[in-house]
Amino acid sequence: DAEITQSPRHKITETGRQVTLACHQTWNHNNMFWYRQDLGHGLRLIHYSYGVHDTNKGEVSDGYSVSRSNTEDLPLTLESAASSQTSVYFCASSLNRGGGRQYFGPGTRLTVT
Amino acid sequence: QQQVKQSPQSLIVQKGGISIINCAYENTAFDYFPWYQQFPGKGPALLIAIRPDVSEKKEGRFTISFNKSAKQFSLHIMDSQPGDSATYFCAASKGYGGATNKLIFGTGTLLAVQP
Repeated sequence: DAEITQSPRHKITETGRQVTLACHQTWNHNNMFWYRQDLGHGLRLIHYSYGVHDTNKGEVSDGYSVSRSNTEDLPLTLESAASSQTSVYFCASSLNRGGGRQYFGPGTRLTVT
Repeated sequence: QQQVKQSPQSLIVQKGGISIINCAYENTAFDYFPWYQQFPGKGPALLIAIRPDVSEKKEGRFTISFNKSAKQFSLHIMDSQPGDSATYFCAASKGYGGATNKLIFGTGTLLAVQP
């Protein structure tokens, strides 16, 4: 069955370190998204991609970057982790046409100390 | 700028009761309004969705009511069950059926259904 996976599921890192969160989907979806979830803020869009080599900034993109070298993967990089980036991160994917349904991964809980 | 406002933040309902969660939006270009359900430790999953050409959509115990003139939509859970206890997010997007479908989410409602 098609799925979307994230790794690691839990990560503790120190302030200033570079961190990369992985997202892999086997739906063959063109659209992929990264969100962060914080209490009181819901899900906020960090970056998104509509296809290979395409990336776009979302609502809260400062301090984050993504690259899309193939259809299946959209890694999220925190260039220099900050305590304000402690959050739960979700990756999602969707078809390029025909509806707004997004399929979410299980999430990565990141703690920056 | 919060384009989709959701209330209440939390809700406690007795088993068998009706749970109601409300959302309001600002952008009249939105044309797709989904609700996502999230259980602890899991990613959100699509529950039900509506487009503005209808005022109501029902799937089992879950109903979306849509008021285009008021720019509001709500989720009703009939005969609420303890298994419905989860966080619910409303969302909105524009360009349904097109090449892009960026969603704007509400802040979420934590529902607890007491047995």
